[in-house]
Amino acid sequence: EVQLLESGGDLVQTGGSLRVSCAASGFTFGSYAISWVRRAPGKGLEWVSTISAGGGQIYYADSVKGRFTISRDNPNYTVSLQMNTLKAADTAVYYCARNDGQVGATTAIDYWGQGTLVTVSS
Amino acid sequence: SYVLTQPPSVSVAPGETAKITCEGNNIGGKSVHWHQQRPGQAPVLVIYYDRDRPSGIPERFSGSNSGNMATLIISGVEAGDEADYYCQVWDSTSDQWVFGGGTRLTVL
Repeated sequence: EVQLLESGGDLVQTGGSLRVSCAASGFTFGSYAISWVRRAPGKGLEWVSTISAGGGQIYYADSVKGRFTISRDNPNYTVSLQMNTLKAADTAVYYCARNDGQVGATTAIDYWGQGTLVTVSS
Repeated sequence: SYVLTQPPSVSVAPGETAKITCEGNNIGGKSVHWHQQRPGQAPVLVIYYDRDRPSGIPERFSGSNSGNMATLIISGVEAGDEADYYCQVWDSTSDQWVFGGGTRLTVL
């Protein structure tokens, strides 16, 4: 059974930093791209970032480019999202999600984690 | 950047058919995926590659995609189908996943 378990969500001050992580199990982790998607209160789903299976291709939404960094540790089946210079607009539940293959137009997001809440407040 | 437009809400009576649309420029040339998010729960993939159903998703869920519009069709709607539904595509121009704004399905 595919499982994705996020952790690290917390209350952080505006301008601060936070690292959220995703532990995967139930599939061959190193064969799949992983994405982060968030949902802010009262808003819809927003894609944040994607990292390819091997880690060599990385993509970011314009809203987080230059502030967030995605990385993965394939031997330990984990993906992390380092978030710096946090803003109130970054307040959201952050979901880890699996692509059903590599990155691109021929893939889909097929499994989601339960999410971790990040609250940014002054 | 590529934009996907969904109606904010759709309401149907139990047993009827719900159609949720997703508009985008030449979306028929892209693969469209649909995710369901019930209140307080994580999203779940219900349709991928325009019309395929993942295992465990009822046959009541189907999809189509042509021209500038993709559609999620839920036949024989049940109370448990009440949720937010999102369409999603990969925009190859910007190398980004794009989600529609979401449609809240209400079962009357």
